[in-house]
Amino acid sequence: GAGVSQSPSNKVTEKGKDVELRCDPISGHTALYWYRQSLGQGLEFLIYFQGNSAPDKSGLPSDRFSAERTGGSVSTLTIQRTQQEDSAVYLCASSFPPSAEQFFGPGTRLTVL
Amino acid sequence: KQEVTQIPAALSVPEGENLVLNCSFTDSAIYNLQWFRQDPGKGLTSLLLIQSSQREQTSGRLNASLDKSSGRSTLYIAASQPGDSATYLCAVRPGGGGSNYKLTFGKGTLLTVNP
Repeated sequence: GAGVSQSPSNKVTEKGKDVELRCDPISGHTALYWYRQSLGQGLEFLIYFQGNSAPDKSGLPSDRFSAERTGGSVSTLTIQRTQQEDSAVYLCASSFPPSAEQFFGPGTRLTVL
Repeated sequence: KQEVTQIPAALSVPEGENLVLNCSFTDSAIYNLQWFRQDPGKGLTSLLLIQSSQREQTSGRLNASLDKSSGRSTLYIAASQPGDSATYLCAVRPGGGGSNYKLTFGKGTLLTVNP
């Protein structure tokens, strides 16, 4: 595709449920990033994948959050036992090489009731 | 810890006016600085990327400057149009080796250009 795509665009879930958010990076981009944008908090880094290297998970807020990247392309961010404070827009970005500018997807708006 | 501040938080101008958005950062050891635009309910669109060795970048009516030593960047928008209305975010990438890929974002400036 021409850009980074994310699905779903919107997700409403009940507290305690698990959710999966998907990101398709730009073809050929080896670096993939997840960020979270909360109301009043700005954008914060969550996790970074680069090629086959171990991901940098230092930004994940709790062990309820996990992410994987299959085949060096598509990534899935999973939030287990969702809480209301997880409500935010989750943005994915990719780049090549890793030092180049990051291109962002449209985001997934997650609402936890 | 790097902190990025954007001033003003909101700005409303009449169409045609030239304007400046400000971004400041606390740690001058950056690799580059990127300006983004975000429309309501949308993702981020990259506008300009300035490497730490550069002083400015231009794209159309946009000009971004960087003064790394003072920890400041400005985004200049010439002849503003209603279509420029959006939130403008700046983000810095840390310098040095290792994990220098994590962007630190400001909270943005909400720009409204009135017809």
